[in-house]
Amino acid sequence: SAVISQKPSRDICQRGTSLTIQCQVDSQVTMMFWYRQQPGQSLTLIATANQGSEATYESGFVIDKFPISRPNLTFSTLTVSNMSPEDSSIYLCSVGLGGTNEKLFFGSGTQLSVL
Amino acid sequence: AQTVTQSQPEMSVQEAETVTLSCTYDTSESDYYLFWYKQPPSRQMILVIRQEAYKQQNATENRFSVNFQKAAKSFSLKISDSQLGDAAMYFCAYRRAGNTPLVFGKGTRLSVIA
Repeated sequence: SAVISQKPSRDICQRGTSLTIQCQVDSQVTMMFWYRQQPGQSLTLIATANQGSEATYESGFVIDKFPISRPNLTFSTLTVSNMSPEDSSIYLCSVGLGGTNEKLFFGSGTQLSVL
Repeated sequence: AQTVTQSQPEMSVQEAETVTLSCTYDTSESDYYLFWYKQPPSRQMILVIRQEAYKQQNATENRFSVNFQKAAKSFSLKISDSQLGDAAMYFCAYRRAGNTPLVFGKGTRLSVIA
């Protein structure tokens, strides 16, 4: 398995501000995935981050709102910009491991509350 | 597009008994993986069990086993000898082969009654 460190674990933010979430992995990985889990809901993919290229966003998510950086093979950040109460969710990063990346592991998540 | 359906929003089981959580999926791919994840109140996503679609044998991990019916596109999770620590949200997930993301079902909340 992998050790995935995600920070912060939780935050309470004011409307209109931005928060950057960090995800650090203890091994090199090609792809990192960012998910959002709204209260009482399942996980929804925000974007896929590949080192050295622009992130690929899913329908309903845009780069201006959720900019992602992937400076190297062990680290990524997700920023939630110009926050509103609707952004209150758990945000999770995930990486694939194994010979064919068949196992996906998750960070511990960031609980975001927007007032 | 691939979809994953969990038709049981909530389930309960008596401690030490057995419970089965249902999951169906839809895909046109032939090479893929199926997963069950557990999410306790700590919100950590914990991999419970994984099944490769090309394997006919059902995966087993201690008290957890699956019933994989490829033709029916069904992937149920059986928890034997249920323990209080098994109480959590359980998500069924699909992933096609390659470095691809997971597609999740809506989840089943499992309660374990002492």
